[in-house]
Amino acid sequence: KAGVTQTPRYLIKTRGQQVTLSCSPISGHRSVSWYQQTPGQGLQFLFEYFSETQRNKGNFPGRFSGRQFSNSRSEMNVSTLELGDSALYLCASSVSGSHSTDTQYFGPGTRLTVL
Amino acid sequence: AQSVTQLDSHVSVSEGTPVLLRCNYSSSYSPSLFWYVQHPNKGLQLLLKYTSAATLVKGINGFEAEFKKSETSFHLTKPSAHMSDAAEYFCVVSERQAGTALIFGKGTTLSVSS
Repeated sequence: KAGVTQTPRYLIKTRGQQVTLSCSPISGHRSVSWYQQTPGQGLQFLFEYFSETQRNKGNFPGRFSGRQFSNSRSEMNVSTLELGDSALYLCASSVSGSHSTDTQYFGPGTRLTVL
Repeated sequence: AQSVTQLDSHVSVSEGTPVLLRCNYSSSYSPSLFWYVQHPNKGLQLLLKYTSAATLVKGINGFEAEFKKSETSFHLTKPSAHMSDAAEYFCVVSERQAGTALIFGKGTTLSVSS
């Protein structure tokens, strides 16, 4: 079974631009979560989608948004990029998204650099 | 509120010696606990998870962890370190009733010398 895939793997943008990241979950997985990883803040939860609905949201500004399609693929969008948005963005998928029992499988991440 | 504290930011061991990575958690409900490993430029890989079954959990690559409710700890151990174990390790908590996302510790970097 193929793992979680994320595209692109690397991105360079400038301040003020917007960016869209893509995540394809493991086949059969319906829950997709997004995390931001930075040296200073570590790994932080952004949001979770299940059956095309946002089910849970972390403490990030509204510039960060996402969506999920009927095939469970998910996209994350960041508008009006700031230097502090430079990070590794990780996507994780699980069967049903009941985080406490399901295993979340992570993709390799998208490295976003904002100049 | 749930939280995770990894007591050491960096642990150094020699190949063939035991590994101990310490983790304490705080949770209002019955938590599920995980250990993930991240190798450089790679994604996160699940080592093991505790979900209220046996308190001693065995994972991949010879790692195991013991859930101790009285001490609110979930330390990760391995009897004999291998060079390939060098990576960053994350202790993670999730609360069953709260339905919240994974909460990560700050991570422990494990270095293994020959």
